[in-house]
Amino acid sequence: EIVMTQSPVTLSVSPGERATLSCRASQSVSSNLAWYQQKPGQSPRLLIYGASTRATGIPARFSGSGSGTEFTLTISSVQSEDFAVYYCQQCNKWPPMYTFGQGTKLEIK
Amino acid sequence: QVQLVESGGGVVRPGGSLRLSCTASGFIFSDYDMHWVRQAPGKGLEWVAFIKFDGKNEDYADSVKGRFTISRDRSKSTLYLQLSSLRVEDTAVYYCAKAQRPLRAPGGFDPWGQGTLVTVSS
Repeated sequence: EIVMTQSPVTLSVSPGERATLSCRASQSVSSNLAWYQQKPGQSPRLLIYGASTRATGIPARFSGSGSGTEFTLTISSVQSEDFAVYYCQQCNKWPPMYTFGQGTKLEIK
Repeated sequence: QVQLVESGGGVVRPGGSLRLSCTASGFIFSDYDMHWVRQAPGKGLEWVAFIKFDGKNEDYADSVKGRFTISRDRSKSTLYLQLSSLRVEDTAVYYCAKAQRPLRAPGGFDPWGQGTLVTVSS
């Protein structure tokens, strides 16, 4: 089983600052990596797929990078609506085990 | 627009059973893999089960294998999750989610339903 580990657990930033979130896979997942945003009381929303492609309607301030076992989600200038929990997910097609990381909470500094 | 609506959650005793449904609309249901994901109160996301777009393959997280069964009805555009031998630790909001892209093309889960709460308690 592939284990996904996110860091840090909590990230405190001020609005307008850059935020960098990390995700590590216990073995290579190539570029089969997605990022989601979840706000309190809401369902998760897809931000990034294929490690670096923004989903439809996602602002350009969100970017993803990495391949293999090391991945990064960057928010270039954090807005008030970006404070939320972020999850990475490996999306290998077979075996279809779509493991999530434990999440990073982005909070206001 | 694409919409997923879950139903069937509720309170059940340990060892009991429940069937969740997810009614889909706004897309060609038979072209997309479908998934169930759960979230225990205050915890992170846990992928639970997958069913291929044609219904011919499925897979489960180890934590539910042998107890949960995923299925789909093409004629009703509905996804199901049969939960059996329920445990207290199965308490969670259960989300259905659509594969982002059709016919097994690489991608994430998009969109997600609003979720249905399953509480296992004596």
